[in-house]
Amino acid sequence: DAMVIQNPRYQVTQFGKPVTLSCSQTLNHNVMYWYQQKSSQAPKLLFHYYDKDFNNEADTPDNFQSRRPNTSFCFLDIRSPGLGDAAMYLCATSSDDNEQFFGPGTRLTVL
Amino acid sequence: QKEVEQNSGPLSVPEGAIASLNCTYSDRVSQSFFWYRQYSGKSPELIMSIYSNGDKEDGRFTAQLNKASQYVSLLIRDSQPSDSATYLCAVIGSGTYKYIFGTGTRLKVLA
Repeated sequence: DAMVIQNPRYQVTQFGKPVTLSCSQTLNHNVMYWYQQKSSQAPKLLFHYYDKDFNNEADTPDNFQSRRPNTSFCFLDIRSPGLGDAAMYLCATSSDDNEQFFGPGTRLTVL
Repeated sequence: QKEVEQNSGPLSVPEGAIASLNCTYSDRVSQSFFWYRQYSGKSPELIMSIYSNGDKEDGRFTAQLNKASQYVSLLIRDSQPSDSATYLCAVIGSGTYKYIFGTGTRLKVLA
């Protein structure tokens, strides 16, 4: 089945220790997104790619970086995680018909 | 600031009743509208997309769009306890791939 896959599903890191979250898709969608979602809040868009074109949200902290080496993969790097970065990180993809599909998410805990 | 507004709830309905969820949006040029269901601790799951004024039905779900009044709604017929979740409304503008999400309405279907 075509899908969006995120690894790991759960990530525990220490304050200030870099962490990388990964996302892959078999949908061949040209748009990939990273969202941060905290409890009882809407998903907050961090950045998105249209093919290799990177679009950063103005309020995304510099601590968050992303890479998309090819159509299938996208990575979220958190350079120095703080306690406030503990959240669910959601990867999503869409094609030109705009329907967006989410992966299962990575739950990040910062100790 | 483009916004999507939803009543946070909880909206409680008895099993078998119709649940009505509403969403308003501020950007008049919004073109595409989506409803997602999100269970606690899980990622959002696409239920319906709607692009033109009127009703769109899919099984027990009906999405309604009124662009003049800038609202979109979701009706769930014959509500089941398994429908208990948070329902997110999302809107996308013309010529963009950025989704704007509402904070969601929590639905409780009482057995």
